[in-house]
Amino acid sequence: AQKVTQAQTEISVVEKEDVTLDCVYETRDTTYYLFWYKQPPSGELVFLIRRNSFDEQNEISGRYSWNFQKSTSSFNFTITASQVVDSAVYFCALSVTSGSRLTFGEGTQLTVNP
Amino acid sequence: DAGVTQSPTHLIKTRGQQVTLRCSPKSGHDTVSWYQQALGQGPQFIFQYYEEEERQRGNFPDRFSGHQFPNYSSELNVNALLLGDSALYLCASSLGQGALTGELFFGEGSRLTVL
Repeated sequence: AQKVTQAQTEISVVEKEDVTLDCVYETRDTTYYLFWYKQPPSGELVFLIRRNSFDEQNEISGRYSWNFQKSTSSFNFTITASQVVDSAVYFCALSVTSGSRLTFGEGTQLTVNP
Repeated sequence: DAGVTQSPTHLIKTRGQQVTLRCSPKSGHDTVSWYQQALGQGPQFIFQYYEEEERQRGNFPDRFSGHQFPNYSSELNVNALLLGDSALYLCASSLGQGALTGELFFGEGSRLTVL
């Protein structure tokens, strides 16, 4: 069975602060995919990144960066110079099968205050 | 280019009733998945439809059933509603094997309240 743990239920920061959202996953499969999604109040999940288990290279996209470490089964997400528009619930997810079956964590509510 | 559209956006039912939720996938997508998201929790996979057949199923009882039409749109049916079925139901579409070929595109969901 797969499991995704997001230990931080809520995080509150002041605008321009850097913030890191933690994600720890469990799977016995050697091939898997990790994702981050953003869920604004409107409800839809917005895709941010997908990473496969064979690619541990960290990635940066604008103010967003991701740190994938297989040794600690972690896939953490950092927002640099946070903005009020970053306020949302962020989900980490795992897939081990072909197809769209994702196992989500419980999510982290990020609030960025002006 | 229309994204994933779901209807209705909100609905209220009473225990024991039946409900049908609808989803139109993003243009060009042929695979539809449904997720249930209880308040304050992460989405949970219900099932996936591809080529009008259920391909994968999560840990949900048979009260949850679905259908995919030739135009790739999909319905989620829930019978004998329970209070615990109250949740946001999310539809996601993809082209073929979503996790391998690209990300899932989600709709804004249907908020079901069971009284």
